[in-house]
Amino acid sequence: GAVVSQHPSRVICKSGTSVKIECRSLDFQATTMFWYRQFPKQSLMLMATSNEGSKATYEQGVEKDKFLINHASLTLSTLTVTSAHPEDSSFYICSPRGNINEQFFGPGTRLTVL
Amino acid sequence: QKEVEQNSGPLSVPEGAIASLNCTYSDRGSQSFFWYRQYSGKSPELIMFIYSNGDKEDGRFTAQLNKASQYVSLLIRDSQPSDSATYLCAVNQAGTALIFGKGTTLSVSS
Repeated sequence: GAVVSQHPSRVICKSGTSVKIECRSLDFQATTMFWYRQFPKQSLMLMATSNEGSKATYEQGVEKDKFLINHASLTLSTLTVTSAHPEDSSFYICSPRGNINEQFFGPGTRLTVL
Repeated sequence: QKEVEQNSGPLSVPEGAIASLNCTYSDRGSQSFFWYRQYSGKSPELIMFIYSNGDKEDGRFTAQLNKASQYVSLLIRDSQPSDSATYLCAVNQAGTALIFGKGTTLSVSS
């Protein structure tokens, strides 16, 4: 399978601060990047889809001005949680996809907002 | 709203038994069906995928798909304690994101 990294793996921040999560596909080119989040005991919920060089498409109920997604290259995408609040505490997982219909998953980032 | 339904469990089976996990989906246009395993605090890892009606076997795992009934299942033979995890069913159409069910927690007792 593909090698996907996410950084940081765990972050704790104060309410009102912004947090940037990086996702890198290390051995393939990710033409599409999906971002999911997972609350405790819940499933992975798709937040947004981005194609390299294009603006992200957000799912209903996900604020595009709060969750900023950048997919400037085929190997790097970032998710910035702006003005984070405790309800944003979750497990964020990136999922890059190459030219075939297979999604890979990053190891996830555990965000805790105090 | 596209939905994927799973019984949350927990499903408890003794070591060596067969574990049967079930999933239904609402979108008749779904083309690809996946089973992932997720350990607590970790990202999902792919176990199997199936595209066509019928059975697909891979080692101790068998995926079964019935598109007419919009039903997909996963059988785990000779269950081991290390199989204890949450199993996520996911579906998609070509080119779209995977839609996940809430997962079924499996507990295999030794």
